Amino acid sequence: KNEVEQSPQNLTAQEGEFITINCSYSVGISALHWLQQHPGGGIVSLFMLSSGKKKHGRLIATINIQEKHSSLHITASHPRDSAVYICAVYGSNYKLTFGKGTLLTVNP
Amino acid sequence: GAGVSQSPSNKVTEKGKDVELRCDPISGHTALYWYRQSLGQGLEFLIYFQGNSAPDKSGLPSDRFSAERTGGSVSTLTIQRTQQEDSAVYLCASSFGPTEQFFGPGTRLTVL
Repeated sequence: KNEVEQSPQNLTAQEGEFITINCSYSVGISALHWLQQHPGGGIVSLFMLSSGKKKHGRLIATINIQEKHSSLHITASHPRDSAVYICAVYGSNYKLTFGKGTLLTVNP
Repeated sequence: GAGVSQSPSNKVTEKGKDVELRCDPISGHTALYWYRQSLGQGLEFLIYFQGNSAPDKSGLPSDRFSAERTGGSVSTLTIQRTQQEDSAVYLCASSFGPTEQFFGPGTRLTVL
């Protein structure tokens, strides 16, 4: 079993829909990253959080440390949001352990 | 520079040859990480440098892989006697300690 599990693996949505991507982890962590990777593109850090909730534009990330769970929400999704979204967790040794990613496709 | 840079962006090599991949982190960042993303696979940790501390090499897949960081800045990842299974995108990231990491564009390595 992977230490970091994401769901769903693939997600197709219509423009304007509300998107939720989930991440569950089985190890103790100090913080969690949400990353975005466009096809053929580099990786961009969207959020790093260790508690509560963060918001940036149409993106919202939440984390529940007790339940070892985080969610990434996208409001009013747009085709340019199409990308792979990756959850990664920091253990006590400062290394990131990555989920396998969620491929999001937003159709116009 | 404004961000993490890596060179070359693409590298094609023949099996058995050695390759060197370079990473220039964001100026002032004390931590530098190397990751690998193989086709169809997730990201995996390779090595971590933090300041002057001994690097954490626990993710290096074999002794053909090595990395160094000179002067606390630029890092080079060396793969000796490359194998086809080494083909992947090699990503570098930097941060100011155990904080948000900033990723470079990656080097796509193809071993023929």
